[in-house]
Amino acid sequence: GENVEQHPSTLSVQEGDSAVIKCTYSDSASNYFPWYKQELGKRPQLIIDIRSNVGEKKDQRIAVTLNKTAKHFSLHITETQPEDSAVYFCAASSWGGSQGNLIFGKGTKLSVKP
Amino acid sequence: NAGVTQTPKFQVLKTGQSMTLQCAQDMNHEYMSWYRQDPGMGLRLIHYSVGAGITDQGEVPNGYNVSRSTTEDFPLRLLSAAPSQTSVYFCASRTRDYSYEQYFGPGTRLTVT
Repeated sequence: GENVEQHPSTLSVQEGDSAVIKCTYSDSASNYFPWYKQELGKRPQLIIDIRSNVGEKKDQRIAVTLNKTAKHFSLHITETQPEDSAVYFCAASSWGGSQGNLIFGKGTKLSVKP
Repeated sequence: NAGVTQTPKFQVLKTGQSMTLQCAQDMNHEYMSWYRQDPGMGLRLIHYSVGAGITDQGEVPNGYNVSRSTTEDFPLRLLSAAPSQTSVYFCASRTRDYSYEQYFGPGTRLTVT
């Protein structure tokens, strides 16, 4: 089955700096890659996603890149703000036998220092 | 729309007790799933369902049962609670198209003593 590795597990940046979180996946059939943000005590919420027919997607200060050959994808946050502090999860899924189940990485705790 | 709802928010059980975590959604989503979240372990899939009457196992199904008699509801049953089942449980739902957003419920924090 699919396995998703996420790095780093913790990341601390100064406000205004950029943050990058990287994930690798094992199943070459995976073709949907969402990123979720989870604030303390809250539910995970989708912030951006990318499908395998696209190499990069941007939404304001957030961007995701995908390299299907290397089987890795990354989340980029520019001009970080204290409210970006949270745990971020990457995930991967495909159709076929897994019915599109999302398999998650173990998360990255991002701290943005004012 | 209420979205995905879960009850209870918190629960304490003694080892060996059984209970049911409730999950409901009002978005007419075919797909529903249960995850558990443990520190440093991310979200791990317990069971999922692609429609009423259809369920299957995820990554960590042992000790849990599910059923799906209606589109709206997807309860998770702990048959005989163990301390290893102490966790935060999230229910989620989406349309049948897997490449669209999966919505999570607010979670149930379960402690087994």
